[in-house]
Amino acid sequence: DIVMTQSPDSLAVSLGERATINCKSSQSVLYSSNNKNYLAWYQQKPGQPPKLLIYWASTRESGVPDRFSGSGSGTDFTLTISSLQAEDVAVYYCQQYYTIPVTFGPGTKVDIK
Amino acid sequence: QVQLVESGGGMVQPGRSLRLSCAASGFTFSNYAMHWVRQTPGKGLEWVALISYDGTNKYYADSVKGRFTISRDNSKNTLYVQMDSLRAEDTAVYYCARVVMRGVNFMDVWGKGTTVTVSS
Repeated sequence: DIVMTQSPDSLAVSLGERATINCKSSQSVLYSSNNKNYLAWYQQKPGQPPKLLIYWASTRESGVPDRFSGSGSGTDFTLTISSLQAEDVAVYYCQQYYTIPVTFGPGTKVDIK
Repeated sequence: QVQLVESGGGMVQPGRSLRLSCAASGFTFSNYAMHWVRQTPGKGLEWVALISYDGTNKYYADSVKGRFTISRDNSKNTLYVQMDSLRAEDTAVYYCARVVMRGVNFMDVWGKGTTVTVSS
């Protein structure tokens, strides 16, 4: 199974500042035949199901604000919130869908400083 | 609008069974593969099972293999998971989620979840 790790476990950022979350996979999730990284990011607010933010490591889901961006390739990925808003307080998960079982990172909690 | 609604959760004793359902609406259910994903209290997300759009292919997490059975009824737009020999560690919120396209197994639509508690 591909093991996903995230860092940090939690972070507190001032409103309007940048938040950066890292995700690492135990093996590459880059599929050579199509040059796509099989990596997604989700946001989960308390009492709600996860919400898809990013797929293919860097493609924003429709309706997701452009302050959210994803980057990285192979085994190392980053989710960046360029200017943190109050409504961004949540736990963020990365997920690989390169292989079954799909696996999630342990999550990173983002709070307001 | 596109919607998934889980039901069937509750409290059950260890060793007993439970069947969860997920009713889909707002899209052509028979065109999409579907996942079950669970989340233990205060913990992260754990993938449980995946079923292909037509029900012919099924995949399970090792933690539930042999105890859980995923199925679907495309005529009823409903996804199921039959959970047998339940254990305390199966206690979780169970979500159904839609696979965005064949062979690309991330989830673009999630239900609100149903809670399963396994306790004596």
